[in-house]
Amino acid sequence: GENVEQHPSTLSVQEGDSAVIKCTYSDSASNYFPWYKQELGKRPQLIIDIRSNVGEKKDQRIAVTLNKTAKHFSLHITETQPEDSAVYFCAATNQAGTALIFGKGTTLSVSS
Amino acid sequence: GAVVSQHPSWVICKSGTSVKIECRSLDFQATTMFWYRQFPKQSLMLMATSNEGSKATYEQGVEKDKFLINHASLTLSTLTVTSAHPEDSSFYICSAQAGDQPQHFGDGTRLSIL
Repeated sequence: GENVEQHPSTLSVQEGDSAVIKCTYSDSASNYFPWYKQELGKRPQLIIDIRSNVGEKKDQRIAVTLNKTAKHFSLHITETQPEDSAVYFCAATNQAGTALIFGKGTTLSVSS
Repeated sequence: GAVVSQHPSWVICKSGTSVKIECRSLDFQATTMFWYRQFPKQSLMLMATSNEGSKATYEQGVEKDKFLINHASLTLSTLTVTSAHPEDSSFYICSAQAGDQPQHFGDGTRLSIL
């Protein structure tokens, strides 16, 4: 089945710096790749997603890139702010295309 | 839009009791609902996928007789943890999806079994 690897597990940056989180997936049939942000004790919230028919998507300070050949996708956050501190999860659709398989998460800490 | 309500948010009960968790899509019809389990500082582990009106599809290693899932309508799915034991203590979270739209998550239920 689908396997999603996420790196790094923790990331500390200074306010204003950029942060990059990378994920790889195993199933070449996966066609949908969302990123979720989860603050402590709260629900995961979708921050950006990308489908397999595009290579890059941007929404203000957040961007996602997808390399289907290499089977990896990345989250880029520019001009980081303390409120960006949270756990970020990548995900990819499973083999059946019916559910999401999540990476292990990245704890991002932005210090001011 | 796309609000998912999960209830209760926190439950503490004695070992051996059964606990029911509800997941509702408030402003859309969810053709599919998902149930996840999340241990502290870990990822979301998919337990089962539920389509309205049909039996849930359980992931490998998840006991279907232990975790009963019902998806009787397009806005409600329930997860019942039967004869709960301390090892069932965890954070359970549901998500709901309309067609091929993104999944939206509930606030989760923290279950503690004494």
